[in-house]
Amino acid sequence: AQSVTQLDSQVPVFEEAPVELRCNYSSSVSVYLFWYVQYPNQGLQLLLKYLSGSTLVESINGFEAEFNKSQTSFHLRKPSVHISDTAEYFCAVTPGRSGNTPLVFGKGTRLSVIA
Amino acid sequence: GAVVSQHPSRVICKSGTSVKIECRSLDFQATTMFWYRQFPKQSLMLMATSNEGSKATYEQGVEKDKFLINHASLTLSTLTVTSAHPEDSSFYICSARVWTGGLDEAFFGQGTRLTVV
Repeated sequence: AQSVTQLDSQVPVFEEAPVELRCNYSSSVSVYLFWYVQYPNQGLQLLLKYLSGSTLVESINGFEAEFNKSQTSFHLRKPSVHISDTAEYFCAVTPGRSGNTPLVFGKGTRLSVIA
Repeated sequence: GAVVSQHPSRVICKSGTSVKIECRSLDFQATTMFWYRQFPKQSLMLMATSNEGSKATYEQGVEKDKFLINHASLTLSTLTVTSAHPEDSSFYICSARVWTGGLDEAFFGQGTRLTVV
């Protein structure tokens, strides 16, 4: 079975400052990793994902995450945050190439960007 | 890209009544859909896996007689909360995973905020 640990439940950060949201996972098999963002009372939107290949993945809005197999981590980073980045962020894992298996989510990290 | 449409987005019902939530895959066939529940300020917890043409698989602790799942077609799965009570108030989200070759992604519905009064 897989599990995800998001070490920080809340992360306040000033606008234009860098941020890192931490995610560690546990699995005995190879995995796919995802970061989702959720705005209030809305569903989840995919931010970025790691399936294979380059361990550094990027989103179109400036976020990036690096898959580190030895540390079983997939931390999310952004060099300069905006007020609009305020949201809940979820890290998720699923067994790689397993077809129809659900995602297992971490507990989420609330990012609050302060003006 | 693949889209999952979930309705209604919000529903308020009286205690003891039943509520049906629909989840449709709009441009792809979803043989499997997942139903999650999210309490305020908490993560998504998998409730059940819905398989087209067969019985759903429920996670431990989820009452299958209370949360009825029907997946009658490749594009529609429904979750019915029967005899709803205030403790059933929550945010329910459906999801379908698309895995074909190099594309592997889970798509989520917009969610349904259920309030039982």
